[in-house]
Amino acid sequence: GNSVTQMEGPVTLSEEAFLTINCTYTATGYPSLFWYVQYPGEGLQLLLKATKADDKGSNKGFEATYRKETTSFHLEKGSVQVSDSAVYFCALRGTYNTDKLIFGTGTRLQVFP
Amino acid sequence: DTGVSQDPRHKITKRGQNVTFRCDPISEHNRLYWYRQTLGQGPEFLTYFQNEAQLEKSRLLSDRFSAERPKGSFSTLEIQRTEQGDSAMYLCASSLNPGGFGNTIYFGEGSWLTVV
Repeated sequence: GNSVTQMEGPVTLSEEAFLTINCTYTATGYPSLFWYVQYPGEGLQLLLKATKADDKGSNKGFEATYRKETTSFHLEKGSVQVSDSAVYFCALRGTYNTDKLIFGTGTRLQVFP
Repeated sequence: DTGVSQDPRHKITKRGQNVTFRCDPISEHNRLYWYRQTLGQGPEFLTYFQNEAQLEKSRLLSDRFSAERPKGSFSTLEIQRTEQGDSAMYLCASSLNPGGFGNTIYFGEGSWLTVV
């Protein structure tokens, strides 16, 4: 079946460090890929997305490239801030006959000053 | 710009009681989704609607769960005879279709359910 696998957290970084959160997927067809972020006590916010192979999604300094050959969509940021502390979810959408998002288990990021 | 609105935000109920959550999607969004999220896990799909038609239901949606969207606008999710395992955050989301699978699905802030 279709699934998303994320690296386990927590990821603990100092402010201004480089961030990578790994995400790989298994899917039939050609899904769209998403990163959502969840701040404590809140719902999910879309961070970025990519709809086809080699597309790069970017927002607020975060980037992720849709790599079909490695079935990956790793999230990166060059310099994290304390305010980036949150849980990050990788998700896919658009496999045959369904319109649901399939999420990974999430990766908690903690950034310290 | 009004986002997806959920009510109540928090609900504590005794085991065996019924609870109902309401979701108001973004205006003109014709697709509405329900997800469940437990601590430390990603959201799990429950069901979605296109206007008033329920197009898909997850096997997670047992007979005690029912979702409706009678006029194609707001939706309700009812849980009957609640169990402790129902304790979770229930997330509602909406999107505009057609728009393709790259179209954004917008989430509400969720309704926390605690069954004691």
